[in-house]
Amino acid sequence: DSGVTQTPKHLITATGQRVTLRCSPRSGDLSVYWYQQSLDQGLQFLIQYYNGEERAKGNILERFSAQQFPDLHSELNLSSLELGDSALYFCASSAGTSGGQETQYFGPGTRLLVL
Amino acid sequence: AQTVTQSQPEMSVQEAETVTLSCTYDTSESDYYLFWYKQPPSRQMILVIRQEAYKQQNATENRFSVNFQKAAKSFSLKISDSQLGDAAMYFCAYRSSQGGNKLVFGAGTILRVKS
Repeated sequence: DSGVTQTPKHLITATGQRVTLRCSPRSGDLSVYWYQQSLDQGLQFLIQYYNGEERAKGNILERFSAQQFPDLHSELNLSSLELGDSALYFCASSAGTSGGQETQYFGPGTRLLVL
Repeated sequence: AQTVTQSQPEMSVQEAETVTLSCTYDTSESDYYLFWYKQPPSRQMILVIRQEAYKQQNATENRFSVNFQKAAKSFSLKISDSQLGDAAMYFCAYRSSQGGNKLVFGAGTILRVKS
């Protein structure tokens, strides 16, 4: 158990809908990362937050947005869902912003299926 | 942009034998971090081992060790005394020491362990 929690574990929805994925980082970690794992794109970095502020952006679609709240949990919002958004979405957390002993610990993932 | 290449889509090893998974990466940076993550059928991403580029000594974690060749930009994972529980997808990942902590992943290698 990495200490990172994600809810829900599974999500089935229809095209055009909007969903919210939730992540709670390990106790004491300030950084949260979101990754998408799909068959055709592999594992891709989406976005990073540090202590409530966006720090880095990857291949995140405009239909997707994220935020980190004062209690440090994070939510990833996916809207106008398409079939191609079906994937496993991981949240990871680490202690701070950069360098040194930064190791990312992954949550169990949320499996999203868009029908 | 950095890229990570895992040229072996699938590998097999006999229980108790040794196997080496290959990883190469492309970067112009001199300071960075490399990781191997394991993803078993449960889909959980588990950190196996990490290597700092400034360290010449190869990292070791119990039965897992790496062969880090900085000049060749190669970072292979050796698993000794393979066990059935080692069967999983293994991902090689790169993290820059600058500009955020995003992980860049390779495509992964499926490791099968035969009894």
